Amino acid sequence: GIQVEQSPPDLILQEGANSTLRCNFSDSVNNLQWFHQNPWGQLINLFYIPSGTKQNGRLSATTVATERYSLLYISSSQTTDSGVYFCAVSNTGGFKTIFGAGTRLFVKA
Amino acid sequence: DAGVIQSPRHEVTEMGQEVTLRCKPISGHNSLFWYRQTMMRGLELLIYFNNNVPIDDSGMPEDRFSAKMPNASFSTLKIQPSEPRDSAVYFCASSRQPGELFFGEGSRLTVL
Repeated sequence: GIQVEQSPPDLILQEGANSTLRCNFSDSVNNLQWFHQNPWGQLINLFYIPSGTKQNGRLSATTVATERYSLLYISSSQTTDSGVYFCAVSNTGGFKTIFGAGTRLFVKA
Repeated sequence: DAGVIQSPRHEVTEMGQEVTLRCKPISGHNSLFWYRQTMMRGLELLIYFNNNVPIDDSGMPEDRFSAKMPNASFSTLKIQPSEPRDSAVYFCASSRQPGELFFGEGSRLTVL
């Protein structure tokens, strides 16, 4: 089956810093999502981005499907950005969605 | 609009007991997913339904696990008998279009 790799596995930032999280996948995908799991365990949709670039406030994401990767950019990080960021992909048929292991982010005040 | 609703939020039970987790998907969504999250294995897809029909249950760990979706607004995940290794957070998600999932807040299960 399709493999999803996220990097880095862990990241510590000083408040106000910028960061880039990466998601690589082993096969072509039709769909890709980024999620944030907050410290209370809630999984929050950030982006549905099978291709192209989207922005939402301080966050933006780019997916280059032909090269099998996606990037999540966090600018001017805040302590509330802490948590785990997951990339999730699905391919033909689109329903079976597989998650990467996540990037654990801690933003220091 | 209400999101995906799961119950109970927390469940503590003893080994051997039956556990039933419940999920109400977002109205109008035609796909429903059950995931399990543990520290060791991350987020694992257990089973998903499309239009109330189970499509892929290859992630269900063993026969002790079963899932049903009797109608478009309700699904259950049952574990009978439960074991300590079943302790995890169980998430339900729903989708209107392929690949765009919306998650509930999860049910944290502890089996003693």
